[in-house]
Amino acid sequence: EVQLVESGGGLVQPGRSLKLSCAASGFTFSSFAMAWVRQAPKKGLEWVATITSGGSNTYYPDSVKGRFTISRDNAKSTLYLQMDSLRSEDTATYYCAKDHNNFDYWGQGVMVTVSS
Amino acid sequence: DIQMTQSPSSMSVSLGDTVTITCRASQDVGIYVNWFQQKPGKSPRRMIYRATNLADGVPSRFSGSRSGSDYSLTISSLESEDVADYHCLQYDEYRTFGGGTKLELK
Repeated sequence: EVQLVESGGGLVQPGRSLKLSCAASGFTFSSFAMAWVRQAPKKGLEWVATITSGGSNTYYPDSVKGRFTISRDNAKSTLYLQMDSLRSEDTATYYCAKDHNNFDYWGQGVMVTVSS
Repeated sequence: DIQMTQSPSSMSVSLGDTVTITCRASQDVGIYVNWFQQKPGKSPRRMIYRATNLADGVPSRFSGSRSGSDYSLTISSLESEDVADYHCLQYDEYRTFGGGTKLELK
C-alpha cells in the first residue's frame, strides 16, 4: 500500500524558516518524480514544487522560487521542502504527492501557519 | 505561464443531476489534464487522468472529455457521495491547477 506521511508543520513567524518532510512507502520511491502542493484555507490547490526521480532537476512557480527548496533522500525514501523567508500568504496545508505526471497518490497534508 | 480557468466556481446540484465542470487552458496542453475530487478535510483523489481516462476505483458515472482547449469533467446521475470540491490540473508545462468547483446540494 502506498503511503505518504508529511511532518514538520506548525506555527512560524514571518521571515523565519521551516522544513517539511514526507516519508514514502509502498512503492519504489527512487523511480518517481515527487511534488509538493499547498492549499490555503478555503482556497484552491497550488502547485509548489516538483523534483525529478534522481533529484537532479527541480521546478517551482514564481510564487515560491528563490524561497523554497525541494529535495529528496532516495536512500531514506523521504521528500523534503525547505521553506525560507516565510510570508503570511504561505499559510496553507502542504501535501506531498507522487508526481511523475500522475498525481495518483497524496499524503494527508500538514498545516503551516505563518503569523506573528 | 499556463492558466487553467475553471468554471463554475460553485454549483447547486440535486441528486440524479448530470453535472459538467470545465477548465479552459490558456495554451495547448494536449492530453495532460487530470481531475481531482476533494472532500472536506481530506486529500485530493485523482478521478480522471490524461483528460479522458478513469482512474482505478472511480465509478463509471464520472467521465472526462476534451474539446480543443476545453477540458470537462462530467458526473452522470449525481449521488450524494459526489458532493465535493473538484479541481483540474494541467501537467504539460510545469503544473497549474484550476481554481476549483464546489458542488453543493440544493
